[in-house]
Amino acid sequence: AQKVTQAQTEISVVEKEDVTLDCVYETRDTTYYLFWYKQPPSGELVFLIRRNSFDEQNEISGRYSWNFQKSTSSFNFTITASQVVDSAVYFCALSDDRGSTLGRLYFGRGTQLTVWP
Amino acid sequence: DTGVSQNPRHKITKRGQNVTFRCDPISEHNRLYWYRQTLGQGPEFLTYFQNEAQLEKSRLLSDRFSAERPKGSFSTLEIQRTEQGDSAMYLCASRGSGGANEQFFGPGTRLTVL
Repeated sequence: AQKVTQAQTEISVVEKEDVTLDCVYETRDTTYYLFWYKQPPSGELVFLIRRNSFDEQNEISGRYSWNFQKSTSSFNFTITASQVVDSAVYFCALSDDRGSTLGRLYFGRGTQLTVWP
Repeated sequence: DTGVSQNPRHKITKRGQNVTFRCDPISEHNRLYWYRQTLGQGPEFLTYFQNEAQLEKSRLLSDRFSAERPKGSFSTLEIQRTEQGDSAMYLCASRGSGGANEQFFGPGTRLTVL
């Protein structure tokens, strides 16, 4: 079965600090996809990144970076020099993109990030 | 606006009433998903459409729930005889048929059952 664990329920940092959000996943599939979404107070889930299981290259996008390690089944997300606007709930998700479910997302419980000025 | 839209944004109803939500996906997306999110939890999958065909339903979708996508465009989710446990945010997402498989979410419909 697919499972995503985000052990950090809440994280508080002060602006300009770096913060890492942890994500550990479980799957028996060899081909799968990992995602991060941001949910600001407005409620709409905003897509941040997708990573394929066969591509372990880390990615950097501005202040955001992602570290994918298959050996530890982790897909961690780091925000560098955090800003107040980064305050949101962040979700890690997994999909297998096979069979009839064709891409249903399995979400973790989310990490509430609060960045204080 | 070319994103996913959902209506209404908020719905308050009394227990036992029927409610219907609508989702308009991104126009070229043939895949549509419904999720439910309760407070403090991640979204949970409810059902999936490819064009007008409903291909998958979660066991969370009891027989009081029904979803349709009659012409492969917009979709509706109906809850009959609502219960207080149905109070949640109902999210719709769409996705294209190409290689990129990220789903794009609408703003959600927040249902409160009194």
